Amino acid sequence: TQLLEQSPQFLSIQEGENLTVYCNSSSVFSSLQWYRQEPGEGPVLLVTVVTGGEVKKLKRLTFQFGDARKDSSLHITAAQPGDTGLYLCAGENTGRRALTFGSGTRLQVQP
Amino acid sequence: NAGVMQNPRHLVRRRGQEARLRCSPMKGHSHVYWYRQLPEEGLKFMVYLQKENIIDESGMPKERFSAEFPKEGPSILRIQQVVRGDSAAYFCASSQSQVHTGELFFGEGSRLTVL
Repeated sequence: TQLLEQSPQFLSIQEGENLTVYCNSSSVFSSLQWYRQEPGEGPVLLVTVVTGGEVKKLKRLTFQFGDARKDSSLHITAAQPGDTGLYLCAGENTGRRALTFGSGTRLQVQP
Repeated sequence: NAGVMQNPRHLVRRRGQEARLRCSPMKGHSHVYWYRQLPEEGLKFMVYLQKENIIDESGMPKERFSAEFPKEGPSILRIQQVVRGDSAAYFCASSQSQVHTGELFFGEGSRLTVL
């Protein structure tokens, strides 16, 4: 069974702080995606990383895929209340036809 | 272009009743995925379907659960003889092709409560 573990599970910070959330696995993934989910809604894709060591930036969000394609991180600079939500990583393996999701990191940014 | 449409958004059933959840994928999408999410948890894969075919149902319980995606009409996730443990949010997602660096578009979910 492929497992994706995310840490921390919960994070409450003040507006303006920086934070990093992690997504780790013992399995190799051909690609990894990050989603954000707000209460009462479905997840929305933020980014897809494909190449080991790849770094992608989306405004204040920086995503990195580990060299071995087993782990990933999401760094948010100067967090804002609008960043509040559940952040989910999801890995794709060519041996399986559906994404495997991590358990999520619930982020709350206090104004 | 309408997104993935799920209905009902909320469904309440008593133990032993049947629950039917419907999902209309985005226009042009022929790949549908169903996921289940318990409170404060991530999404657990249940089943992957293409038109008229079940491709992967490895995440779906063998008993009481079934899914279909007919040639015409929405995909349906059916839960027979519901139990309290079935209470969860059920999300449908669609994609244009088999997921491979592509994007999954999710619906807003159907929240099932079993009394």
